[in-house]
Amino acid sequence: DQQVKQNSPSLSVQEGRISILNCDYTNSMFDYFLWYKKYPAEGPTFLISISSIKDKNEDGRFTVFLNKSAKHLSLHIVPSQPGDSAVYFCAASAEGSNYQLIWGAGTKLIIKP
Amino acid sequence: GAGVSQSPSNKVTEKGKDVELRCDPISGHTALYWYRQSLGQGLEFLIYFQGNSAPDKSGLPSDRFSAERTGGSVSTLTIQRTQQEDSAVYLCASSLWDEGDEQFFGPGTRLTVL
Repeated sequence: DQQVKQNSPSLSVQEGRISILNCDYTNSMFDYFLWYKKYPAEGPTFLISISSIKDKNEDGRFTVFLNKSAKHLSLHIVPSQPGDSAVYFCAASAEGSNYQLIWGAGTKLIIKP
Repeated sequence: GAGVSQSPSNKVTEKGKDVELRCDPISGHTALYWYRQSLGQGLEFLIYFQGNSAPDKSGLPSDRFSAERTGGSVSTLTIQRTQQEDSAVYLCASSLWDEGDEQFFGPGTRLTVL
């Protein structure tokens, strides 16, 4: 039972354009969501997070949107840069179990020059 | 400062053998996590250590898996009688308790069971 789903295994975007990565979840108890970025042969690194009391969080070129009614979140990267090419993981946690993150399978983002 | 380190980076073993994977968390981090990532899958939570509390072992897939954390620092994940389905990248992460969920990951150990 996949509680966090990233339905696109890969995404290709032109440099300078917007990248939109999507994530859906099924557990209504999730109240904290994170995006991690992973380069080959490295561990994931934290990118941005959002709690369920907000619907948007912005950090530089990265913005995460949360739609609780649709149980959907998205990560927008604008403008996309070559260094953004990586695998992006969406993760979620439920109140009272904040350390136990449930992860999506990841989306490989390729930024084309 | 130094990040989370893991060793070995790669491990190839024969089915039935035992393996030990090591994790050195960031100094001062009280929380330590083990995950594994199988091909095409998301990270799967295995075990969580927090200070001197009893670890949360709820993610360990079978009793062949065990983990220790000595002195609140270094951790070892042991897999006994390895099976081919144990092949995966095993990731360790650590966090400061009061930093919430920002976990800092090591580079992982790629385990291949032949």
